[in-house]
Amino acid sequence: EIVMTQSPATLSVSPGERATLSCRASQSVSSNLAWYQQKPGQAPRLLIYGASTRATGIPARFSGSGSGTEFTLTISSLQSEDFAVYYCQQYNNWLRLMYTFGQGTKLEIK
Amino acid sequence: QVQLVESGGGLVKPGGSLRLSCAASGFTFSDYYMSWIRQAPGKGLEWVSYISSSGSTIYYADSVKGRFTISRDNAKNSLYLQMNSLRAEDTAVYYCARDIGGDHAAFDIWGQGTMVTVSS
Repeated sequence: EIVMTQSPATLSVSPGERATLSCRASQSVSSNLAWYQQKPGQAPRLLIYGASTRATGIPARFSGSGSGTEFTLTISSLQSEDFAVYYCQQYNNWLRLMYTFGQGTKLEIK
Repeated sequence: QVQLVESGGGLVKPGGSLRLSCAASGFTFSDYYMSWIRQAPGKGLEWVSYISSSGSTIYYADSVKGRFTISRDNAKNSLYLQMNSLRAEDTAVYYCARDIGGDHAAFDIWGQGTMVTVSS
């Protein structure tokens, strides 16, 4: 099983600043990596797939990068609505045999 | 609009059964792969099960294999999860989610979730 490890567990950033979230895979997942945002009491929202492709309607301040085992989600200028928990998810097996999520990074207001 | 609505959650005793439903609208349901994903209280996300667009291919997480059964009725635009032999560790919010398809098994549409509590 591929294990996804996110860091840090909690990130404190001021509005208007840049936030950088990391996700590491225990083995290569190529570019088969997605990022989600989840706010309290809500379902997750897809932000990025294919490591760097923004999902429909996602603002340009969200960007994803990386391949293999190291991935980054960058939020260029934090807005108040961006404070949430962020999860990465691998889907290395295109057969849909297994998907695994990271444990999440909570992005909080500094 | 594109929407998924889950139902069927509730309180059940250990060893009991529950059937979850997910009603899809606003898109051609039969064109999409679907999955169930759960989230225990205060915890992260765990993929549970996948079903192909026709229903011919199905996969399960090891944690639920042999106890849960996923199915779909494309004529009714509905996805189901039959959960048997429930355990306390199955307590979670259960989401149905649409797979964006192709080479990218990411989930672009999620329902609001339905809570399943397994407790005596």
